[in-house]
Amino acid sequence: GAVVSQHPSWVICKSGTSVKIECRSLDFQATTMFWYRQFPKQSLMLMATSNEGSKATYEQGVEKDKFLINHASLTLSTLTVTSAHPEDSSFYICSARDLASITNEQFFGPGTRLTVL
Amino acid sequence: AQSVAQPEDQVNVAEGNPLTVKCTYSVSGNPYLFWYVQYPNRGLQFLLKYITGDNLVKGSYGFEAEFNKSQTSFHLKKPSALVSDSALYFCAVRDDQYNFNKFYFGSGTKLNVKP
Repeated sequence: GAVVSQHPSWVICKSGTSVKIECRSLDFQATTMFWYRQFPKQSLMLMATSNEGSKATYEQGVEKDKFLINHASLTLSTLTVTSAHPEDSSFYICSARDLASITNEQFFGPGTRLTVL
Repeated sequence: AQSVAQPEDQVNVAEGNPLTVKCTYSVSGNPYLFWYVQYPNRGLQFLLKYITGDNLVKGSYGFEAEFNKSQTSFHLKKPSALVSDSALYFCAVRDDQYNFNKFYFGSGTKLNVKP
């Protein structure tokens, strides 16, 4: 099946710094990617929908100025957590929708563990 | 609005016994239903999906699920559980009709398979 990678797989940063997480579709093109966060022992919550070449669409309650999303190409979306705080510590997972799939197949990345000290 | 419910936070089963992880759904339009498994600190692994067709869907690692329209359920099953099946299982619905293919996940069910 298609592969989605995330980089880094884990990151530890100091409070107040910014962290960038990359989501790449390795063998397919994705005009749409989705970003989720998952708190320990909880479900995945959709944060935003990332569209190639246009602004991301954020879910209600998600601060767009804090979670900056850029989808500059058909294979790469980035999520930047700005001025990170300990409460931003979470597991971030992306998914990518295959542009060529007539059944709208999506594939999930392996996730990025963010720990803010 | 689309939603799924997983009524059990945890399911315990002995190795070799059959297992069932429950999921009910509420959707507008045609339901596109999925099961994923997550191991600690890992992403989601696709198990199976129902889009259309046969109500009994067979997936990876010996898992299967039965789509039941009248009961709005999509329970995950396996005839004989393995210790290695112990993980977190998510049922999800994908909204292809109103919300640009967004996934809505259930709360997850932790499966514990004891030797």
